[in-house]
Amino acid sequence: QVQLVESGGGVVQPGRSLRLSCAASGFTFSSHGMHWVRQAPGKGLEWLAVIARDASLEYYAASVKGRFTISRDNSKNTLFLQMDSLRAEDTAVYYCAKEVRDYYPLDYWGQGTLVTVSS
Amino acid sequence: DIQMTQSPSTLSASVGDRVTISCRASQSISTWLAWYQQKPGKPPKLLIYRASTLENGVPSRFSGSGSETEFTLTINSLQPDDFATYYCQQYNTDFTWTFGQGTKVEI
Repeated sequence: QVQLVESGGGVVQPGRSLRLSCAASGFTFSSHGMHWVRQAPGKGLEWLAVIARDASLEYYAASVKGRFTISRDNSKNTLFLQMDSLRAEDTAVYYCAKEVRDYYPLDYWGQGTLVTVSS
Repeated sequence: DIQMTQSPSTLSASVGDRVTISCRASQSISTWLAWYQQKPGKPPKLLIYRASTLENGVPSRFSGSGSETEFTLTINSLQPDDFATYYCQQYNTDFTWTFGQGTKVEI
């Protein structure tokens, strides 16, 4: 069955960097666009970024563009999110999710990894 | 960027009720709209895409309608398992996948 497992979360100081990973299994990873979505404590869902199945295209939400970078390694079935210049408002649970198909919604999600930005 | 606005933010209902949640897009998105259900501590679950197409395994009491800028999620005969927060999401329009702010359906 499809599994997405995020890792790399934790407590980080403002201004520092963190890299999240998402290990995928149970489907052909290289055939699907992949996304990152976050949810601040007690708040709604915020879409962050998408990467095409062949990594040829990336798009970002305005709130993270220039600070966050999405990437993937299809040989290792792994998705990444590099987060730089972190701020307190980046504190959230970060989910990776799989597209149904190109430019479609997200049909499988990981359980999320918590990132806390605090001094 | 396209903005998505849901109403109401919170909805109180009882088992057996018919519930309607609205979602409005700031510009036309054709039928590129999805609905998700989220329960506390869990990731979202895709319910509907293309505004009205039910995802596999989703009960038929859920339905979606609308186009352009106005959309509706309807739950017929609300069940105990349906108490959750619901989000709309636009996609395949401006290379963003924007969510609405959510509607909590509570007892």
